[in-house]
Amino acid sequence: AQSVTQLGSHVSVSEGALVLLRCNYSSSVPPYLFWYVQYPNQGLQLLLKYTTGATLVKGINGFEAEFKKSETSFHLTKPSAHMSDAAEYFCAVSVPPGGSYIPTFGRGTSLIVHP
Amino acid sequence: KAGVTQTPRYLIKTRGQQVTLSCSPISGHRSVSWYQQTPGQGLQFLFEYFSETQRNKGNFPGRFSGRQFSNSRSEMNVSTLELGDSALYLCASSGGQGFHEQFFGPGTRLTVL
Repeated sequence: AQSVTQLGSHVSVSEGALVLLRCNYSSSVPPYLFWYVQYPNQGLQLLLKYTTGATLVKGINGFEAEFKKSETSFHLTKPSAHMSDAAEYFCAVSVPPGGSYIPTFGRGTSLIVHP
Repeated sequence: KAGVTQTPRYLIKTRGQQVTLSCSPISGHRSVSWYQQTPGQGLQFLFEYFSETQRNKGNFPGRFSGRQFSNSRSEMNVSTLELGDSALYLCASSGGQGFHEQFFGPGTRLTVL
């Protein structure tokens, strides 16, 4: 079974500062990895995903993440935070066994952006 | 394409009642998954339906049930509501061969009094 750990339930940054949200996963086979964002009173929106190939993945809104197999990590970064980035972020892992795809989500990290 | 829609968006019920939530997936998507989101437990998988059959099931009591219709629309039902069932219920659809990215609806906020 796979699992996801997001370090820090809350991360606070100043506008313009680097955003770093940490995600570590556990999986016995090569995983698919995802970052989702959730704004208040909304569903989850996919930011980016890693399936195979290039380990540095670029997503929407200037976010990117790097798959590091040796560290079992998939940290999310953004060079410069914007007030509109304030939201809940979820890391997820999936190991699709022949087509069925049920991701396991982390507990989420709330990103707070100060002016 | 229209996104995933969920109705109603907000619902207030009392303990012991039952409730039915509806989800319309993105056109062409055949898989619909349901999740419960609470501050204490985070996002928990309820079940997944594919072509009208339950394909995967999470660890929830039998009070939680679902179904999928031939047009891929799905409903979930919770019987004998408990206070702890208060949550945001999210529906996600996916489709196609191989990798299945999930697309989430806005959720139904259920409050049990």
